Amino acid sequence: DIQMTQSPSSLSASVGDRVTIACQASQDISNSLNWYQHKPGKAPKLLIYDASTLEVGVPSRFSGSGSGSDFTFTISSLQPEDIATYYCQYTDELLRFTFGPGTRVDLK
Amino acid sequence: QAQLVESGGGVVQPGGSLRLSCAASGYMFTIYGMHWVRQAPGKGLEWLTFIFHDGSKKYYADSVQGRFTISRDNSRNTVSLQMNNLRAEDTAIYYCVRYNSGRGDYWGQGTLVTVSS
Repeated sequence: DIQMTQSPSSLSASVGDRVTIACQASQDISNSLNWYQHKPGKAPKLLIYDASTLEVGVPSRFSGSGSGSDFTFTISSLQPEDIATYYCQYTDELLRFTFGPGTRVDLK
Repeated sequence: QAQLVESGGGVVQPGGSLRLSCAASGYMFTIYGMHWVRQAPGKGLEWLTFIFHDGSKKYYADSVQGRFTISRDNSRNTVSLQMNNLRAEDTAIYYCVRYNSGRGDYWGQGTLVTVSS
């Protein structure tokens, strides 16, 4: 089974900072990689799919890149409402989801 | 706008059973597969199970295989999760998720299951 790792596990940044999260798959997954935002008490929200496609309605400060086994998620200018945990996720050939362990983003 | 609403959570003793339901609205339910995903306290997201749009195929995580059963009623736009032989480690918020072309594009708000004596 393919495993997903994320780094860092947590980070603190200031409003306006550029934030970058890395996600690595244990094997080549092409561009089958999605990113979610999860705030406490809320439903997780899809932000990016197919590694780099922005979901409809998601602000353009969010972006994703990468292919193969190495992926990056970026917030170009951190806003207070972006405080959340971010997960990468892979879908296998049986349509099962594998999530990364998550990256918690806090305000400095 | 698609909407998913889970229900059926609560407190149950170890070894007990619980049935969760997810009511879908705002889209053509019959053409989308559905997942259940959970988050235990202080932990990340864990995928549990998936059912095809027509119920023809189902897949389970090893952690729930043989104890949990996913089903759907396309006449009522609902997907259910029957949970048997519950353990303390099944304590979590349970989310139903719409599957769309490789991604989970709509999530419910979740329902809390607590397994405790």
